[in-house]
Amino acid sequence: GAVVSQHPSWVICKSGTSVKIECRSLDFQATTMFWYRQFPKQSLMLMATSNEGSKATYEQGVEKDKFLINHASLTLSTLTVTSAHPEDSSFYICSATLAGGSHEQYFGPGTRLTVT
Amino acid sequence: GQSLEQPSEVTAVEGAIVQINCTYQTSGFYGLSWYQQHDGGAPTFLSYNALDGLEETGRFSSFLSRSDSYGYLLLQELQMKDSASYFCAVWGYSGAGSYQLTFGKGTKLSVIP
Repeated sequence: GAVVSQHPSWVICKSGTSVKIECRSLDFQATTMFWYRQFPKQSLMLMATSNEGSKATYEQGVEKDKFLINHASLTLSTLTVTSAHPEDSSFYICSATLAGGSHEQYFGPGTRLTVT
Repeated sequence: GQSLEQPSEVTAVEGAIVQINCTYQTSGFYGLSWYQQHDGGAPTFLSYNALDGLEETGRFSSFLSRSDSYGYLLLQELQMKDSASYFCAVWGYSGAGSYQLTFGKGTKLSVIP
């Protein structure tokens, strides 16, 4: 149980376009989802915390107008990278926690974004 | 804020035991987690320690000392498939009734024959 999926797995887009990444909890309800970004050979950096039905909480230095997060239901959160640039190329990973305060995070398989 | 320190690389022989240390500084500490990540893949949860002591799960054990702000991951009977990056991560209070996970920079473990 506790499976998180992401779509797409890999996306290549042109500079200036927008890309939407979906994160779904398949067999559980996730009131909170997290979005991370990971550059090659580096650690995961938390971008934002996404709560169902409310605005996401962004980490310092993350542009909320560029990285739009929508957590419309208990099983779906989306991250839209607007006006993507080559420096946005990275591995984007979402995770979710079970309702009830579990400290185990379940990670999606990640989405590799390449902006040309 | 939170900060974590762990070695960047460790090499060990197949069948041996290896310990990966992690020290942390944080406000509102809840617990320490460990994650494994193979190249190109997503992190997978290994363990969570909220209280002092050793937690054992198969070949992997994790230890926490809250007073020393220190923990470690112990891998026994190393196998080639254990070659991966291992991240310690701290659960800390982030304000407004929320908590978040902050990752260390990761330790790349190479298991050699």
